[in-house]
Amino acid sequence: GNSVTQMEGPVTLSEEAFLTINCTYTATGYPSLFWYVQYPGEGLQLLLKATKADDKGSNKGFEATYRKETTSFHLEKGSVQVSDSAVYFCAPAYSSASKIIFGSGTRLSIRP
Amino acid sequence: DAGVIQSPRHEVTEMGQEVTLRCKPISGHNSLFWYRQTMMRGLELLIYFNNNVPIDDSGMPEDRFSAKMPNASFSTLKIQPSEPRDSAVYFCASSVDGTGELFFGEGSRLTVL
Repeated sequence: GNSVTQMEGPVTLSEEAFLTINCTYTATGYPSLFWYVQYPGEGLQLLLKATKADDKGSNKGFEATYRKETTSFHLEKGSVQVSDSAVYFCAPAYSSASKIIFGSGTRLSIRP
Repeated sequence: DAGVIQSPRHEVTEMGQEVTLRCKPISGHNSLFWYRQTMMRGLELLIYFNNNVPIDDSGMPEDRFSAKMPNASFSTLKIQPSEPRDSAVYFCASSVDGTGELFFGEGSRLTVL
């Protein structure tokens, strides 16, 4: 069946470090791909998305590129800030249905 | 614009009691989702509705859990009787069908003693 695998956390980095959080998925079709972020005490919110192969989603300095050949959608940021400390979720969404399954989440902590 | 509204934000109850969680989705959204989040199990999809009809309830843990959506602007998740292992944060989310973009409420934190 369809599934998503995310990099295990927690990830701890120093401020201004480079960030990569890996995400791979299995798919029987061509899903849209999403990254959501959950700040402490809040619900998830959309960070960025890509709807077809080779698309790059970007927001708040974060980027992810839809790689169909490797079925991946890795999240990157060139210089992280303390305010980026949160849990990040990768989620493919299959257009044939509204059902959305989230990855296990990766907790990111940034040290000043 | 108002986002997804959940109530109560916090609930503490004793084992065996009935718990009802409520959700008002964003106006115009036709899909509604209930998720449960715990440290051990992460974010689990319990059930989702499309146009007020339950589409997939395979994530509902057992018969103690039930969910309804009597109209497009209201949904409930009920646990009867509640057990300590039901302690979690329950999120409601809504979306426009097919977009894949979910809008989450702030969650209802349930503690069952």
